[in-house]
Amino acid sequence: AQTVTQSQPEMSVQEAETVTLSCTYDTSESDYYLFWYKQPPSRQMILVIRQEAYKQQNATENRFSVNFQKAAKSFSLKISDSQLGDAAMYFCAYKGGQNFVFGPGTRLSVLP
Amino acid sequence: GAVVSQHPSWVICKSGTSVKIECRSLDFQATTMFWYRQFPKQSLMLMATSNEGSKATYEQGVEKDKFLINHASLTLSTLTVTSAHPEDSSFYICSVIPSAAILYNEQFFGPGTRLTVL
Repeated sequence: AQTVTQSQPEMSVQEAETVTLSCTYDTSESDYYLFWYKQPPSRQMILVIRQEAYKQQNATENRFSVNFQKAAKSFSLKISDSQLGDAAMYFCAYKGGQNFVFGPGTRLSVLP
Repeated sequence: GAVVSQHPSWVICKSGTSVKIECRSLDFQATTMFWYRQFPKQSLMLMATSNEGSKATYEQGVEKDKFLINHASLTLSTLTVTSAHPEDSSFYICSVIPSAAILYNEQFFGPGTRLTVL
């Protein structure tokens, strides 16, 4: 079974600085998708970024980018120029076939 | 992205009663919807996969007779918590995978329903 691990339960970053959230996963499949979701206090899940495993190029969405290392099964999220609104729970997720597997989450605090 | 609604957003019920939660896909037809449960400060736990026109697929450990799922149309799935107990109190979230192939690998989440069983 696939598993997703986020080794940092909590992280903090100074406003305008850069922070990297870690995620590793375990799978025997070669074709899959990886996601980072943000869950603010409202608890609405919001897609931040996604990566197709067959693409070598790292995905980027404005201030958010990933470092996808397929061989190492690592999928970290980098947030640049952190803003107060980035404070939230961040979940790394894996999708192979029809099933989604979520990591335990990292709570990110942004310090003014 | 797709807009997904859930109703109610918050419900309080007495122990032993049943509660129905609706999940609607407002922009897309969805052959597949997921139901998740989230405890405070924890991750999402998949409960079941709801397939339009067929029986739901439940994850191991989830009681299918307690958590009844009906996916009667391409835009509506319902989760009924039967004979609710205080331990069923949780945050329930649905998500939708649009039927359109181009969006197939992305799920869109509803805003969640907070259930409190007294």
